[in-house]
Amino acid sequence: KQEVTQIPAALSVPEGENLVLNCSFTDSAIYNLQWFRQDPGKGLTSLLLIQSSQREQTSGRLNASLDKSSGRSTLYIAASQPGDSATYLCAVSGNTPLVFGKGTRLSVIA
Amino acid sequence: KAGVTQTPRYLIKTRGQQVTLSCSPISGHRSVSWYQQTPGQGLQFLFEYFSETQRNKGNFPGRFSGRQFSNSRSEMNVSTLELGDSALYLCASSLEVAGNYEQYFGPGTRLTVT
Repeated sequence: KQEVTQIPAALSVPEGENLVLNCSFTDSAIYNLQWFRQDPGKGLTSLLLIQSSQREQTSGRLNASLDKSSGRSTLYIAASQPGDSATYLCAVSGNTPLVFGKGTRLSVIA
Repeated sequence: KAGVTQTPRYLIKTRGQQVTLSCSPISGHRSVSWYQQTPGQGLQFLFEYFSETQRNKGNFPGRFSGRQFSNSRSEMNVSTLELGDSALYLCASSLEVAGNYEQYFGPGTRLTVT
């Protein structure tokens, strides 16, 4: 059974810092990995999708990497801003739709 | 292109009642998946519908059911509501079978059971 773990559970950083969020999964037989952002009480916004054959994806200040063999992904956020404050979730898909981690709650302090 | 829409956005029901939630996927998307989000369990997969057929089902009791219509719109139903069913219910759509394609989420329906 696929399990996804995200570390840390919460993170508080000053504005301008670069930061890394971690995601690990137990079964490497995945189709893809998605990173999402969720603001309080809202739905999920897709940030990046990495196919299992890819190593990384970039969008603006965000860069996500995938090491399928070790069951790890990282989300790198450059030059963090207060507007980046949210919960970040990673999810993997395999034979069933997405299995989610519990998320990392990020606070960027101005 | 319009995103995934869910109705209603908020719902308050009493224990023992039943409820129906609706999801309209992005135009052209044929797969609709439903997830339950609670503070304790996080996001959990309920079921996926593709071309009007249930393709996958998560580990939830039979009180949770769903269906998909020919226009890809989907509904989920929860019967005999329990307090523990209070949650944010999220719907996601994808172009094809959900495992291989990016999923796009709606804003969710917040269900409160009293």
